Amino acid sequence: DAGVIQSPRHEVTEMGQEVTLRCKPISGHDYLFWYRQTMMRGLELLIYFNNNVPIDDSGMPEDRFSAKMPNASFSTLKIQPSEPRDSAVYFCASSFGLRDSPYGYTFGSGTRLTVV
Amino acid sequence: LAKTTQPISMDSYEGQEVNITCSHNNIATNDYITWYQQFPSQGPRFIIQGYKTKVTNEVASLFIPADRKSSTLSLPRVSLSDTAVYYCLVGRNTDKLIFGTGTRLQVFP
Repeated sequence: DAGVIQSPRHEVTEMGQEVTLRCKPISGHDYLFWYRQTMMRGLELLIYFNNNVPIDDSGMPEDRFSAKMPNASFSTLKIQPSEPRDSAVYFCASSFGLRDSPYGYTFGSGTRLTVV
Repeated sequence: LAKTTQPISMDSYEGQEVNITCSHNNIATNDYITWYQQFPSQGPRFIIQGYKTKVTNEVASLFIPADRKSSTLSLPRVSLSDTAVYYCLVGRNTDKLIFGTGTRLQVFP
């Protein structure tokens, strides 16, 4: 398996534009997570899905953020409109089980978002 | 979720054994202890998980005393490539993973 695949690796956009980040989880994993990492706030859990259904979105900063998982092999995180404070590295992770997998979560390489 | 406390940073030299201790005084009966490693510009990577006593795999060992109020991640004979941030997480199988600030390990030649 190629692991968790995220695209794009880097995104530079202007304030006010819509940004869509994409993630392909590992086949067979039933949980998918979106994290955001900044120097100031560290790694923050934004939202997670179980079997394509959003379970907990309490970490989503505001209504400008939305996430979908239309099927087991694809998820998107959308920011509309984007703001400079959204600049961060966004990680997608997947897992078999919430926490009891002997292999833990598998993270993607992340998308570095810069909003200017 | 149990609160964890670990050193902000540690330095070591190649070939040495590194022990990173994590305190979790209010760990619950059903909580597991999990460690992740994050290299610069990469996502975190699962290292090891345990409940009590000792767990060992090809990467590290995890020592958990009987009272489970702390745990120690042991990295044998570190190399430059072990320079990373190490996160200690405590929670139940039904808990989502919440990362703290971690321990930044710097290995010198």
